[in-house]
Amino acid sequence: QVQLQESGPGLVRPSETLSLTCTVSDGSISSYYWSWIRQPPGKGLEWIGYIHYSGSTSYNPSLKSRVTISVDTSKTQFSLKLSSVTAADTAVYYCARLQDVWGQGTTVIVSS
Amino acid sequence: QAVVTQEPSLTVSPGGTVTLTCGSSTGAVTSNHYPYWFQQKPGQAPRTLIYDTTNKHSWTPARFSGSLLGGKAALTLSGAQPEDEAEYYCLLSYSGARSVVFGGGTKLTVL
Repeated sequence: QVQLQESGPGLVRPSETLSLTCTVSDGSISSYYWSWIRQPPGKGLEWIGYIHYSGSTSYNPSLKSRVTISVDTSKTQFSLKLSSVTAADTAVYYCARLQDVWGQGTTVIVSS
Repeated sequence: QAVVTQEPSLTVSPGGTVTLTCGSSTGAVTSNHYPYWFQQKPGQAPRTLIYDTTNKHSWTPARFSGSLLGGKAALTLSGAQPEDEAEYYCLLSYSGARSVVFGGGTKLTVL
């Protein structure tokens, strides 16, 4: 069974860019859509966007101007960049293959 | 962007049956919305229970089932167990899966 692991800084300064990477354990990044989802403290899930291994992407319209998702098939990783962060971007960030596999999540706090 | 609605909270008795629903602000939910259902327990990552309306995984307890009901997606739990107490989220796809929206979640209490 494929496993996902998020990695990246746990603290980001306001106005800077949040960068996270998701590593796909068994290397099966080909095919499928790979998503980023976040969950602010005490709140529900919010879809950020997804990428297909071919490189095509789709983003949440409310975040689209600040989000970039990319894939590195050679490293079996996909990444999230969220620019101009504010305290409202503080959340647990998950990577997932929505049909069946989720990462454990990583907490990102936006604070000076 | 569409809004996906779920009951904020529901309570079911142990051994009882409960149906959680997932509606769309754009109209009736159909199989073309590819409804998903996720279970999340406190402090844990979500896990996928149901995908594409009715499909289960090997880890999905048989007491959970997905369907379309009255213009909404539905998750039915038959024979609730204490371990089913959790937050449940649905997800709908729009525009040929070019856009994805989560519902606000239903907190299910088994009491």
